[in-house]
Amino acid sequence: EIVLTQSPGTLSLSPGERATLSCRASLSVDSSYLAWYQQKPGQPPRLLIYGASSRATGIPDRFSGSGSGTDFTLTISRLEPEDFAVYYCQQYGSSPLYTFGQGTKLEIK
Amino acid sequence: QVQLVQSGAEVKKPGASVKVSCKASGYTFTAYYIHWLRQAPGQGLEWMGWVNPHTGGTNYAQKFQGRVTMTRDTSVSTAYMELSRLTSDDTAVYYCARVLRWWFDPWGQGTLVTVSS
Repeated sequence: EIVLTQSPGTLSLSPGERATLSCRASLSVDSSYLAWYQQKPGQPPRLLIYGASSRATGIPDRFSGSGSGTDFTLTISRLEPEDFAVYYCQQYGSSPLYTFGQGTKLEIK
Repeated sequence: QVQLVQSGAEVKKPGASVKVSCKASGYTFTAYYIHWLRQAPGQGLEWMGWVNPHTGGTNYAQKFQGRVTMTRDTSVSTAYMELSRLTSDDTAVYYCARVLRWWFDPWGQGTLVTVSS
């Protein structure tokens, strides 16, 4: 099983600042199989990034993804008030087929 | 637009079963697999398995094998997830999601299943 470890657990920033979220895999992941999601309280996750770096439909260009192998990053260039949420990375691989990181909570400082 | 609408919240006793539905609209139901995931209160996301709406074929995470059954009814574009022998550890929000290649988009709104005596 590939374990995804996200850091930090909580990130406290102010609107307008840059956010950098990390997702580290216990084994190498094909970047095609790496995605990022945003989840707000009481809502389902929303796809942000797929294939490690491609933005999903309707996602603002302040969101970007990068990385390869075991290290992946989600960057939000200038935080807007609506960006404060929990972010999850997800990979497709061996059993279980799909695993998620434990999440990074992005909170307003 | 593509939408997945799930059935309402359930309260079950330990040992019982629950069946959650997921109605798809806005796309060809049989063209994309439907996956089921869950999220315990305050916890992360856990993948449970998928159903192929075209063939009815399924694949379950090892953790749930023997206890979960995923089905579909193409006449009403609806997928179902039934989980048996419930315990308090099964208290969670259950989501259905469509898979595009290897990522989930969109997700249903979620169904809270509470297991309590």
